[in-house]
Amino acid sequence: QKEVEQDPGPLSVPEGAIVSLNCTYSNSAFQYFMWYRQYSRKGPELLMYTYSSGNKEDGRFTAQVDKSSKYISLFIRDSQPSDSATYLCAMSADNYGQNFVFGPGTRLSVLP
Amino acid sequence: GAVVSQHPSRVICKSGTSVKIECRSLDFQATTMFWYRQFPKKSLMLMATSNEGSKATYEQGVEKDKFLINHASLTLSTLTVTSAHPEDSSFYICSAFKIAKGQAFFGQGTRLTVV
Repeated sequence: QKEVEQDPGPLSVPEGAIVSLNCTYSNSAFQYFMWYRQYSRKGPELLMYTYSSGNKEDGRFTAQVDKSSKYISLFIRDSQPSDSATYLCAMSADNYGQNFVFGPGTRLSVLP
Repeated sequence: GAVVSQHPSRVICKSGTSVKIECRSLDFQATTMFWYRQFPKKSLMLMATSNEGSKATYEQGVEKDKFLINHASLTLSTLTVTSAHPEDSSFYICSAFKIAKGQAFFGQGTRLTVV
């Protein structure tokens, strides 16, 4: 079993749809959870950062962490064509920048 | 704006030559930077951890003599791909951890093509 699993997609949705992106993991030591957005041929940019279980909202983005199920989600409301990118989940047991484990990424296309 | 700058963004080189990639933290000091490699439609794979003033820590399976890392200052780490071969063609990304933010920031990535 891979340490972090993520549906690679591609996922295509119409503009305005609510998008749900998910990752599952096996290491119960993970406490820090991140979502990165990566446009084609660019480096990842941090979207959301959460610690432990719970929800965090930032504009159209909501991150959820369920540590009991080892499951994290990123919701995008009112999706826009500019949201078309690959979304990577990442997680870590510590907060020193090391030992990040990334999911393979989900490629999202938002169609106008 | 970007807090980590990576240069060049794209490079094409001949087999057997060496290529240097720079990673700079722009508004903070980073004692630790990370180098990743990303294959098409695959996740980022950590290659090595670059430590300022000391030797880099390489992940299992990464050849340290082939991927030379130098972290000579608190804002600059370099990755040199030595004697490059076509199989080294990939997307290389660096990141630096900003302690004040408790977050890692990534460079723009470097697309290396070895012909």
